[in-house]
Amino acid sequence: SQQGEEDPQALSIQEGENATMNCSYKTSINNLQWYRQNSGRGLVHLILIRSNEREKHSGRLRVTLDTSKKSSSLLITASRAADTASYFCATPRTQGGSEKLVFGKGMKLTVNP
Amino acid sequence: DAGITQSPRYKITETGRQVTLMCHQTWSHSYMFWYRQDLGHGLRLIYYSAAADITDKGEVPDGYVVSRSKTENFPLTLESATRSQTSVYFCASSESGGYNEQFFGPGTRLTVL
Repeated sequence: SQQGEEDPQALSIQEGENATMNCSYKTSINNLQWYRQNSGRGLVHLILIRSNEREKHSGRLRVTLDTSKKSSSLLITASRAADTASYFCATPRTQGGSEKLVFGKGMKLTVNP
Repeated sequence: DAGITQSPRYKITETGRQVTLMCHQTWSHSYMFWYRQDLGHGLRLIYYSAAADITDKGEVPDGYVVSRSKTENFPLTLESATRSQTSVYFCASSESGGYNEQFFGPGTRLTVL
């Protein structure tokens, strides 16, 4: 079953604009991760935010985490055509004493030049 | 080459045949994972391994077998391939199950006729 759900499922913007993607999850977590997947490629880790952090930056990326609302957002500022990709949030889930990541279905971002 | 590799990158097989997908990582990560990615389902965990000789089922393990005799290798075998196993398969590795980022291979596109 899904743990994280991205919203919106698809977003199309112009180059230079900001893109915001949201992720909601259901159970308590110790971290939340965002990944990017370019067409035909494997996923690439973007950023990890821990449950005791509210905001984290990495270059043009800004991630927030609101544990009270069980939600996270990924903001890409000054988007570029190269940001066109699918973006996934992932949260840990404990199963049988070990943790594993559960990925959302992803959100497709298209940045038009 | 450093990193995580998968082979083959593309495979076409017939229903009922046995197929093995290979995954190799050079970081000595404890954890390794197999996912399948299908339209509408996102990324689903098939099997994962916390260490050599320790494996566990994920969300969709039926029809698949894994082994981990060496830390760096985690092969996935489809014992009798079915059309429903047509998918893109990704291998990933990590220092932990859910506390750290996962590193993904480039994927294997498998078609079962």
